[in-house]
Amino acid sequence: KAGVTQTPRYLIKTRGQQVTLSCSPISGHRSVSWYQQTPGQGLQFLFEYFSETQRNKGNFPGRFSGRQFSNSRSEMNVSTLELGDSALYLCASRQTGLAGNTIYFGEGSWLTVV
Amino acid sequence: GDSVTQMEGPVTLSEEAFLTINCTYTATGYPSLFWYVQYPGEGLQLLLKATKADDKGSNKGFEATYRKETTSFHLEKGSVQVSDSAVYFCALDLNSGGYQKVTFGTGTKLQVIP
Repeated sequence: KAGVTQTPRYLIKTRGQQVTLSCSPISGHRSVSWYQQTPGQGLQFLFEYFSETQRNKGNFPGRFSGRQFSNSRSEMNVSTLELGDSALYLCASRQTGLAGNTIYFGEGSWLTVV
Repeated sequence: GDSVTQMEGPVTLSEEAFLTINCTYTATGYPSLFWYVQYPGEGLQLLLKATKADDKGSNKGFEATYRKETTSFHLEKGSVQVSDSAVYFCALDLNSGGYQKVTFGTGTKLQVIP
């Protein structure tokens, strides 16, 4: 069973540009969450999608947005990039069942804003 | 609100030493508890989990027991290896307002020296 797949793995953008990151969850997982990880702030929750609907959102400005498609794949977009947006962006998909909930992470997308 | 507190790092140990990384939590309900590990340049990998009180999660020689009375989930390993050098995150997962929410600790960096 393939894991959570994130693309691209590495990218460099210029201030003011926008970026789109993609995430394919584990097959059968319908929930996808996004996190930002920086050395100073640690892991911060961005948003969660379930069945194409955003059902939870973290404390980030409106420049950060996301969506989920009918096949559960998700994208997140950051517009008007700032230097402080340089971070590792992690996607996670959630398994639910009798054994309880477990989230599994992808390898992440390393974004550098210059 | 819900929170997870981990011991400050970095933790530096010699190979074959005993490892304990402390984790305590505050939650309004009965969360599931997790340990994730992040190797340099990678995403988070699920290390082990426990879904109810007194459960013991174990994997790759690591163990943690869900202690409801002390609200703790300390990670232990009897003999660490250089390859265990990584950042370890404690997390709780709890249903809040009708959806699952994950709360992470700040991470504890472990460095194992030969």
